[in-house]
Amino acid sequence: SQQGEEDPQALSIQEGENATMNCSYKTSINNLQWYRQNSGRGLVHLILIRSNEREKHSGRLRVTLDTSKKSSSLLITASRAADTASYFCATEAFTGANSKLTFGKGITLSVRP
Amino acid sequence: ETGVTQSPTHLIKTRGQQVTLRCSSQSGHNTVSWYQQALGQGPQFIFQYYREEENGRGNFPPRFSGLQFPNYSSELNVNALELDDSALYLCASSSGTHTSSYNEQFFGPGTRLTVL
Repeated sequence: SQQGEEDPQALSIQEGENATMNCSYKTSINNLQWYRQNSGRGLVHLILIRSNEREKHSGRLRVTLDTSKKSSSLLITASRAADTASYFCATEAFTGANSKLTFGKGITLSVRP
Repeated sequence: ETGVTQSPTHLIKTRGQQVTLRCSSQSGHNTVSWYQQALGQGPQFIFQYYREEENGRGNFPPRFSGLQFPNYSSELNVNALELDDSALYLCASSSGTHTSSYNEQFFGPGTRLTVL
């Protein structure tokens, strides 16, 4: 089962514009992560935010987390054509002696040059 | 430092056959997790291996099994293949201590399995 639900499912913007992607989840988490995937290949880790954090920045990326609403957003500023990819949020919860990532279905971002 | 590698890149099998997928973890990593990603979906956790022992399993039937070797590389075996097993199979390695500490998972490029 998928914990995270991203919104929108697809997003098309012009190069230079900002892209905002949202993620909602259902259960308690230890952290939430965002990944990028190009053309159905491997996942690239973008940023992690812990459950006790509210906002985090990394280069052109800004992620927020609202644990009361069980939601997160990823903002990519000044988008580039190279940002075209699928983006996934994943929640991590520790259950006993192991941890696992639970992914949403993803958002397809298209950045038009 | 060598990243996570997977083999083969692509594989075509028929229903009922068995398949073995391989993953070499990143140097220094002792934990490997396997995920199944169906077309248009997010990855789903299959299981995780830590120091050669299964360390958690997702909602997958027993015909999905795995191994981790002393060098921390890993195999995913799927028996009695079904059409719905067609997917991208991703492995990820980390230096997890299987406690509550987060350790980033590094993903391999995946193996695309097609079951006819």
